[in-house]
Amino acid sequence: AQTVTQSQPEMSVQEAETVTLSCTYDTSENNYYLFWYKQPPSRQMILVIRQEAYKQQNATENRFSVNFQKAAKSFSLKISDSQLGDTAMYFCAFMPTPNNDMRFGAGTRLTVKP
Amino acid sequence: DSGVTQTPKHLITATGQRVTLRCSPRSGDLSVYWYQQSLDQGLQFLIQYYNGEERAKGNILERFSAQQFPDLHSELNLSSLELGDSALYFCASAVRGSGANVLTFGAGSRLTVL
Repeated sequence: AQTVTQSQPEMSVQEAETVTLSCTYDTSENNYYLFWYKQPPSRQMILVIRQEAYKQQNATENRFSVNFQKAAKSFSLKISDSQLGDTAMYFCAFMPTPNNDMRFGAGTRLTVKP
Repeated sequence: DSGVTQTPKHLITATGQRVTLRCSPRSGDLSVYWYQQSLDQGLQFLIQYYNGEERAKGNILERFSAQQFPDLHSELNLSSLELGDSALYFCASAVRGSGANVLTFGAGSRLTVL
C-alpha cells in the first residue's frame, strides 16, 4: 500500500520569505505522479503543482517549485516570496498508475505572517 | 468555480438516517472520485468511477455505496449514519481513468450527524 507522510503539522513564515514543506512517500511502483494541493480556509482544494515520476527535472509554477528525489522518495514544496494569500493547508498527494487512486498526506498548516 | 458541482453544500441529519450526496463532474471528465475529510484531517480516498464502472476502492465503509450514472454524474449514499460520519465529502473529477490525471475538486458537501 502506498503511504504519504507530511512530518510538519504546522509551519509559519514571514511575508516575502521562503518556506519549504516536506513530504515523503512509500511505494513499490515505478510509474506515478506527485501533487501538492492547497486548501485555504474556504476548504476548496486547489492544485498547486504536479510532478511526473519519470521526469528528472523538478516542476516549477511561478513562486512554487518542488525538489523531487525519487531514490529517497521525497517530494518537498518550496514557496518563494510568500504572500498572505498562501496561508492554507497544504496536502501532498501520490497517484500510482494505472490504478489512479490518489492518496493524500495528513497536511501541513502554513501561516504567512505580515 | 471549478466546474465540479456538488449538492447539497450543507446537510444536517440524525444518527441512523440515510443521505445521498450528488456530484456532477466537469464537462468532458469521465472519472469521478469521492473523498472524506474529517475535521482538521487529511482526505481519505473512498472510491473512484470511470465511465460508469468502479475503478478503484479505498477505505469505504460497507454502510456507504456509490455509483456513476450514464450521464456521468455520481451519487454517494451514506446509510445508518453515525456521529463519526460527520465530515466534508469531496467529489473530484478527471478526464481519464488512469495515466496522467489531474483531479479537479468540487466545493464539498458538509455533513453533520447529530
